[in-house]
Amino acid sequence: EAQVTQNPRYLITVTGKKLTVTCSQNMNHEYMSWYRQDPGLGLRQIYYSMNVEVTDKGDVPEGYKVSRKEKRNFPLILESPSPNQTSLYFCASSSPGQGATDTQYFGPGTRLTVL
Amino acid sequence: AQSVTQLGSHVSVSEGALVLLRCNYSSSVPPYLFWYVQYPNQGLQLLLKYTSAATLVKGINGFEAEFKKSETSFHLTKPSAHMSDAAEYFCAVSEFSGGYNKLIFGAGTRLAVHP
Repeated sequence: EAQVTQNPRYLITVTGKKLTVTCSQNMNHEYMSWYRQDPGLGLRQIYYSMNVEVTDKGDVPEGYKVSRKEKRNFPLILESPSPNQTSLYFCASSSPGQGATDTQYFGPGTRLTVL
Repeated sequence: AQSVTQLGSHVSVSEGALVLLRCNYSSSVPPYLFWYVQYPNQGLQLLLKYTSAATLVKGINGFEAEFKKSETSFHLTKPSAHMSDAAEYFCAVSEFSGGYNKLIFGAGTRLAVHP
């Protein structure tokens, strides 16, 4: 089954404790991205990657890191989480081909709470 | 910069009634528009997308949307609501830059369907 998977689905942590949220896709997509979803703000892009070893900042990158060492994986790293990073996080992937009409496929989400 | 406005953060309808979710966009170039649905505890799923081929776009689960350039709108409709339609709906516009299709999301509309 074609899918984007994220782990963990739920995470409660404390301020300053480094964490990683993993994302993996089995559709051989070149493009991957991370979004955070906050009430009243919709989804905002954190980082994206157009291919292995190619990443770039989205609209809200502060406090996050990413890496893309393999095509299928795109982990999100919070080196020193803070309470304002409490949010619902989504990973998405897509394949270039149609340009602006490319469909992005989303993972199930990771709900992060930072105390 | 492109943007999306969804009027009404919460919409409530009776089962069998018309569903109308409003979306207005701001774009300096011909827009490509998407509607995504998020069921409880799940990721986002594409409902439909406008790619300029036809102004009336049909999607999954009986939903459709009409692109109206004069009104800068892309409202989502369904003739008869079903209990299973209860979810959060996001309108998004595509911003294609540097070879990457970035989605700009609206704040979302939560649809409740009551018996």
